[in-house]
Amino acid sequence: DTGVSQNPRHKITKRGQNVTFRCDPISEHNRLYWYRQTLGQGPEFLTYFQNEAQLEKSRLLSDRFSAERPKGSFSTLEIQRTEQGDSAMYLCAIGMTGKNTEAFFGQGTRLTVV
Amino acid sequence: AQTVTQSQPEMSVQEAETVTLSCTYDTSESDYYLFWYKQPPSRQMILVIRQEAYKQQNATENRFSVNFQKAAKSFSLKISDSQLGDAAMYFCAYRTYSGTYKYIFGTGTRLKVLA
Repeated sequence: DTGVSQNPRHKITKRGQNVTFRCDPISEHNRLYWYRQTLGQGPEFLTYFQNEAQLEKSRLLSDRFSAERPKGSFSTLEIQRTEQGDSAMYLCAIGMTGKNTEAFFGQGTRLTVV
Repeated sequence: AQTVTQSQPEMSVQEAETVTLSCTYDTSESDYYLFWYKQPPSRQMILVIRQEAYKQQNATENRFSVNFQKAAKSFSLKISDSQLGDAAMYFCAYRTYSGTYKYIFGTGTRLKVLA
């Protein structure tokens, strides 16, 4: 258990539908990341929060994607008008500024768009 | 922009033997962190080992050690006494020292451990 809970674990949706994923850090961590991982590839950076502020967004994050982190605790990632190319594993990771520099990953949400 | 390259899509090792996974990276920064993460099938990623770029000494964690060559921008992972439980995808990652602290991952190396 790395201290990051992601829900749902699996999501199957029809093309064109909206989906929302949630990431719950079990303990306080001021940094929160969203990554996308397709089969056989490494995680690709999507966005990063420092507390509640979204400080960076990848150009991979099109205008159909939005992420929030109200109150600097849990975070949500919404994909509107899903496309088949959105099928991937969406990973949430947390970290702290300071000596322990590694990120702790959740188990991810696997999205399948049919 | 920083990049991380893992040129070995797949590696095999006999149980109890030693294997080395390669990673190279490109950056113009002088301070940064490097990591190796392990991702077992259908399991979450976990940290194997980390290296601070300002430290010349190579990091070690039990059976895992790295060979960090800063000038060559090389960061290889050595696994000694390989065990069946070591079978997984291994990802090399780079993290900036400041700014957004985002992690940049390589494409991974699938390690198979043969009994």
